[in-house]
Amino acid sequence: GENVEQHPSTLSVQEGDSAVIKCTYSDSASNYFPWYKQELGKRPQLIIDIRSNVGEKKDQRIAVTLNKTAKHFSLHITETQPEDSAVYFCAAGRDNYGQNFVFGPGTRLSVLP
Amino acid sequence: EAGVTQFPSHSVIEKGQTVTLRCDPISGHDNLYWYRRVMGKEIKFLLHFVKESKQDESGMPNNRFLAERTGGTYSTLKVQPAELEDSGVYFCASSQGPGQPQHFGDGTRLSIL
Repeated sequence: GENVEQHPSTLSVQEGDSAVIKCTYSDSASNYFPWYKQELGKRPQLIIDIRSNVGEKKDQRIAVTLNKTAKHFSLHITETQPEDSAVYFCAAGRDNYGQNFVFGPGTRLSVLP
Repeated sequence: EAGVTQFPSHSVIEKGQTVTLRCDPISGHDNLYWYRRVMGKEIKFLLHFVKESKQDESGMPNNRFLAERTGGTYSTLKVQPAELEDSGVYFCASSQGPGQPQHFGDGTRLSIL
């Protein structure tokens, strides 16, 4: 089955700096990779996703890159703001009828003012 | 559009008792998923419904857990009898169909004493 690792487990950056979170997956059949942001006490929110037919996707300050050969994908947040502080989860799965995701263990990002 | 709603938000019960969690997916979403996050670890898949049918229940920990989705609308997850290790946050998510993102509810925080 799929196994997803995520690093680092915690990350602190100064406001305005960039943050990068990396995930690796094991199942080469996985073709859908979403990222969720969970603020304290709130629901996980989908912030960006990427499918295996593209190598990079960007949405304002957030970007995700995918390397299928190496089976890893990364979340990049530029110009970080205090409201970016949250736990970020990556996930991997198959984009078929179901999308049974396997989540990474999460990264706690703290943006220091 | 109303999001995924879960009830209750918190539940505290004693070991050996029974608890039933409820999830109302986004209207029109055929796919409904249950996940669990234990002690700040990763979000783990429990099971997946397509309408009223169980598509995948490979993540259910044991036969003390019973999920139903009669009529293909809301779903319930019953834990009977509850054990200490069942404590955690139980999330429900729904998606419209193949290739569509999963939207999470706020979760139910379950504490077993």
